[in-house]
This record gives sequence, structure tokens and C-alpha cells, in this order.
Amino acid sequence: AQSVTQLGSHVSVSEGALVLLRCNYSSSVPPYLFWYVQYPNQGLQLLLKYTSAATLVKGINGFEAEFKKSETSFHLTKPSAHMSDAAEYFCAVSGGTGFQKLVFGTGTRLLVSP
Amino acid sequence: NAGVTQTPKFQVLKTGQSMTLQCAQDMNHEYMSWYRQDPGMGLRLIHYSVGAGITDQGEVPNGYNVSRSTTEDFPLRLLSAAPSQTSVYFCASRPLSGTDTQYFGPGTRLTVL
Repeated sequence: AQSVTQLGSHVSVSEGALVLLRCNYSSSVPPYLFWYVQYPNQGLQLLLKYTSAATLVKGINGFEAEFKKSETSFHLTKPSAHMSDAAEYFCAVSGGTGFQKLVFGTGTRLLVSP
Repeated sequence: NAGVTQTPKFQVLKTGQSMTLQCAQDMNHEYMSWYRQDPGMGLRLIHYSVGAGITDQGEVPNGYNVSRSTTEDFPLRLLSAAPSQTSVYFCASRPLSGTDTQYFGPGTRLTVL
């Protein structure tokens, strides 16, 4: 079975500061990893994904994540937070042969203060 | 290209009532799924389908039914609503490959009194 742990249900940063949202995964097969963002009262949209190509993945809105197999991590970063980054972020994992379901973490709400 | 659409956006039910949440996609995706989102619990999979006529249970299927008669539509039925089903429901679709992006609808906010 696969699972994802997101450390910290809330993360607060100041505008212009580094954003770091943590995600650790558990998978018995090589994983595919995803970060989704949910803005208030909206559905989820894909930020970026790792599908076994480059370990450093760049996504939309200046976000990136690095797959570290030794640490079973896929943390999301952005060098400089913007007010518009305030949202909830979900890490998700799938993987294996045949049809694979997507398993989500519990989410991290990012708060950005001026 | 509308993507994934859901209706209604908001719904209030009384305990014991039944209703159907509608979901449609126009991307010819084989896979469709329903999630519920509750505070602090992330998204939990209710039911999913890998093609017309094929459905299966997810993590929290009790109290919900689904069917998939066409590729485009995947309705979720609440048979007898309970307050524990108060939640935000999201429909999603993607191709069958596990590396493909999953697209989400805008959600239905359901309150059961």
C-alpha cells in the first residue's frame, strides 16, 4: 500500500520568504509523485509531478520539488512567496504496474503575510 | 473544452433524503473518481471507474452508489443522506496511466441537516 505524510497542517511565511512544504511517501514500488494546489472554493489543480525522469521537477508559478529516494521525500519549495500563493497544497502518490489509484496526503495550508 | 463539470455547486439535504451528484468530462478519459474532502483528512476516495460499465469501491464507499453507463458521465448517488456525509465532493478524471495528470471538477458542497 502507498501513503503520503505531509508534515504541518499549516505553514506561515512572510511575503518574499522561502516556502517549504514537506511531503514524505511510502511505496513498495517506484512511485509517481504529485503536488496539487487548491485555492479557496475551487477544485485541485496540478502544480508539478515526478514520473521517474529528472529528480528536480519544476512546476507552475515558480514552484519546484526534488525527489529524494534515500529520504523518501518530495518536498515542495518556492524561493520567494507571493500573497497569491496562499492556498492548500496536497501531495499525492501512485505507482506500480496496472491501474494505479492516486493517494493523497492530508494537505498543508500555506498562509502568506505581508 | 469544459474539462470536468459538477452539478450542483451547493446542496442542502435533510437526513434520509436521497440525491445524485452529477459529474461529466469531455476529455475522453477512461478513469473517473469521486472524492470527499473533510477538514484535516485530505481527499478520500469514495468510488472509481476505469471505463463504462466498470466501477469499484475506494476508501470510504458506504452510503454511496455509482454507475458508469457512458465514458463521459459518472454520477454519485446518496441513498439515504446522513449528517456524516456533510462534506465537499470532488469528481476527477484522467487517462488510465498512473503518470497522467488527474483533472478535478470545481466541487459540490453538501450539507445534511
